[in-house]
Order: sequence, then structure tokens, then C-alpha cells
Amino acid sequence: AQTVTQSQPEMSVQEAETVTLSCTYDTSESDYYLFWYKQPPSRQMILVIRQEAYKQQNATENRFSVNFQKAAKSFSLKISDSQLGDAAMYFCAYRSRTSGSRLTFGEGTQLTVNP
Amino acid sequence: ETGVTQSPTHLIKTRGQQVTLRCSSQSGHNTVSWYQQALGQGPQFIFQYYREEENGRGNFPPRFSGLQFPNYSSELNVNALELDDSALYLCASSLGAGTPTDTQYFGPGTRLTVL
Repeated sequence: AQTVTQSQPEMSVQEAETVTLSCTYDTSESDYYLFWYKQPPSRQMILVIRQEAYKQQNATENRFSVNFQKAAKSFSLKISDSQLGDAAMYFCAYRSRTSGSRLTFGEGTQLTVNP
Repeated sequence: ETGVTQSPTHLIKTRGQQVTLRCSSQSGHNTVSWYQQALGQGPQFIFQYYREEENGRGNFPPRFSGLQFPNYSSELNVNALELDDSALYLCASSLGAGTPTDTQYFGPGTRLTVL
């Protein structure tokens, strides 16, 4: 079974600075997808960014980018120019290519943005 | 485009009762997944429905059951409620049941409290 580990329960960053959230996963599969979701206090899970395992190029979405290291099974999220609205719980998630839409989530990292 | 909606927002039940939670999928989506998120934890996959058929199930007992309707909306039913069933229940819809472009979009959740 796949597992996802987020080793940082809490992180904080100053507004306008950069922060990196860590995620590692365990799988025996070679083809899969990785995601970062954001869950603000409103509770609604919002997709931040996704990465296909077969792509070597790291995904980027505006201020959000990932560092995908397939051999190390590492998938970190970098948030540049942090904004107050980035404050939320961030979840790393794994989806197998063969298990339908099922997502396996990590335990989450609570990000605080300080003004 | 209408997003994923869930009802009710909050629900309080007593141990042993039964509960039904509802989810309307995003317009055009044919797949619905349900997750249980205990306080301070990441979401856990309950099951998934694709075109009205269960298409994958997580490690949850049979008293957790579901339905998907022809319009792709869905229900989650939990019988014989236990105190540990207290959680946020998230519904996610997608188009494609695990195809490469499949991305899940989440609703705001239903907070269930079992007393």
C-alpha cells in the first residue's frame, strides 16, 4: 500500500518570503500522480498543483512550484512571495495510475503567514 | 459551471443512529469519491462511484454504504453510528475515474458529530 508522509506538522513564513513544504511517499509503482491540496479554515480542499510521475519537468503554477525527486520519492512544494491568503493546511496526496481516482493523503502541514 | 456542493453543512447524531450525507457533483463530472477526515488528520478514502457503480473502496466497514444517481449526485449512508465516526466528510467529483487527466474537485464537507 502507498503511504504519504509530511514530516512538518507546522510551518511559518513571513509575508513576501519563500517557504518549502516537504512530502515523501512510498510506492512500488512507477507511474502515478502527485498533488498538493490546500485546505483553508473554510474546509474546502483546493487543488494547488499536480505532477505526473513520468514527467521529469517540475510543475509550476504561478507562485507555486514543486521539486519532484522520483528516485528519492520526494515531492516538496515551494511557495514564493507568500501572501496572507496562503495560510492554510496543506496536504500532499498520491494517486496510483491503476486505482481509479482514489487519493492517499499525508497528515498535512499547517502553514502560518506572518505579516 | 457549478462546483461540488454537499448537504447538510453540520449534523449531530447519537450513537447507534443512521445518517445520510448528500453530494452534488460538479457539472459534467461522472465520478464521485467520499473521504472521512478526522480532526487534525488527512482525509481517508471511503469509496468511489463511477457511473452509478462502486469502483473502489477503502478500509471502512460495510455499515458505510453509498449510492450514485443517474445525474451523478451521490449519497453516503452510515448505519449504527459510533463515536469515532465524528469527522468531516468530504465529497470529491471528477471526470474520468482515474484517467490520466482525472483531477478531483472537493466540496466544502459535512461536519458530523456523534454523541
